[in-house]
Amino acid sequence: LAKTTQPISMDSYEGQEVNITCSHNNIATNDYITWYQQFPSQGPRFIIQGYKTKVTNEVASLFIPADRKSSTLSLPRVSLSDTAVYYCLVGDSGYSSASKIIFGSGTRLSIRP
Amino acid sequence: DTGVSQDPRHKITKRGQNVTFRCDPISEHNRLYWYRQTLGQGPEFLTYFQNEAQLEKSRLLSDRFSAERPKGSFSTLEIQRTEQGDSAMYLCASSLSRAGYGTDTQYFGPGTRLTVL
Repeated sequence: LAKTTQPISMDSYEGQEVNITCSHNNIATNDYITWYQQFPSQGPRFIIQGYKTKVTNEVASLFIPADRKSSTLSLPRVSLSDTAVYYCLVGDSGYSSASKIIFGSGTRLSIRP
Repeated sequence: DTGVSQDPRHKITKRGQNVTFRCDPISEHNRLYWYRQTLGQGPEFLTYFQNEAQLEKSRLLSDRFSAERPKGSFSTLEIQRTEQGDSAMYLCASSLSRAGYGTDTQYFGPGTRLTVL
């Protein structure tokens, strides 16, 4: 069961780059790393997913070192609207694995003007 | 709007009553998930369907909980004899499962907030 550990909270300012690191020491070979964002009173929203090295999309980058025991979500030039809870998940899409994808408590990111 | 809808958005009920929630997933998605989320915590997995088959149930899903997905389309989650501890946000998500494409990207609905008095 791949458990993740991430900071409970982080603060930053508008225009800064924010990096949130997640530890997943017992990640399995078939596991992918996925990050979700959640605003109050809404369901989580997919941000990015990766398996190794670096993945970039229009909203974020995901850095995964060779040993895959951690990953870093990078949000470039954050704005107030990036204030949310960010969840790091580890798992695969096998038929018996849905229950093994654990959200945890996430990282509460607060962006100040 | 992710394309996943849930109804109702809010439900207040008295202890001991039965409640039913509905989830309409994105139409081409073959997987549907139910989660429960309490204040300050991340979503906790309850159960999921592959088409109409319920493939996994969490131990959190006591005998008072039942979920269905007739014809592999919408799904319902029923809680019988509600207790105050059932008060939470109930989230539904759907995904398109494709072998070899990593973990499914789940699209979440807005949730149903249940308050048991």
